[in-house]
Amino acid sequence: KAGVTQTPRYLIKTRGQQVTLSCSPISGHRSVSWYQQTPGQGLQFLFEYFSETQRNKGNFPGRFSGRQFSNSRSEMNVSTLELGDSALYLCASSLGLTANTGELFFGEGSRLTVL
Amino acid sequence: DQQVKQNSPSLSVQEGRISILNCDYTNSMFDYFLWYKKYPAEGPTFLISISSIKDKNEDGRFTVFLNKSAKHLSLHIVPSQPGDSAVYFCAASARAGGTSYGKLTFGQGTILTVHP
Repeated sequence: KAGVTQTPRYLIKTRGQQVTLSCSPISGHRSVSWYQQTPGQGLQFLFEYFSETQRNKGNFPGRFSGRQFSNSRSEMNVSTLELGDSALYLCASSLGLTANTGELFFGEGSRLTVL
Repeated sequence: DQQVKQNSPSLSVQEGRISILNCDYTNSMFDYFLWYKKYPAEGPTFLISISSIKDKNEDGRFTVFLNKSAKHLSLHIVPSQPGDSAVYFCAASARAGGTSYGKLTFGQGTILTVHP
C-alpha cells in the first residue's frame, strides 16, 4: 500500500512569494494533518482536514492556509513568505480524526527554503 | 510553553545494550502518548503508543512505560541495534478536550546513536 506522498520534496522561494505544497494520503485515509518542523521549534501543528473541512488549527498566522479535496488529497499554501518560514513541512494522514485515532502516518516532507 | 519535553538531546549506546529515552509532559489533559522514529530525509515513523489507562505497552524490542503521577514516559529498546540510530520523538494527544485536543504535541527529539 502506497504511503503518504508529498510534492515537491524541495523548493526554494524568495521573500514575499507564495508557495503551495501538495499531499496525497494513504488510500482510505480521510484525515490529513500538516506539521512544520524547524530546528528551533521542533514539530508544530498547523491544521487538520477531514472530509474537506478544517477540523483543527494550530497557532500560525493567517498566511498559512490549506484545503482538502473530495479524494482526501490536501494542499497547504503559505503567502507572503518570510525567512522564518524556511522549514520541513510534513503531511500526515490517518483513518479518522487525530483526536480519535492518535496514530499518524507521515510523508517524507517538503523542504522549503526562503531566501 | 513546551508541554512535551525531551531533556536529553542525544544518547549514545553500545549495540546489544538497553537504550532508555525519556519524555516529560506538563499538560494533565494528555491521555495518549506515542513514540516516533525519524531517519534523515524521511518523515517520522510510528513506533509504539500507550493510553493513559495503561502503564506499560510492549512491542517486540520496544517497551513504553507511563508514570502518570510523575507525568513521565520512557521508551526502552532492548537489545539496541545500529539500525535503531535515529531521532526519536515523543508525542502526546488530548483526546478528551482542552487546548491540545485533536493534535499531536511533540517533544524536541533525542538523537540515539547505537555503536557496533
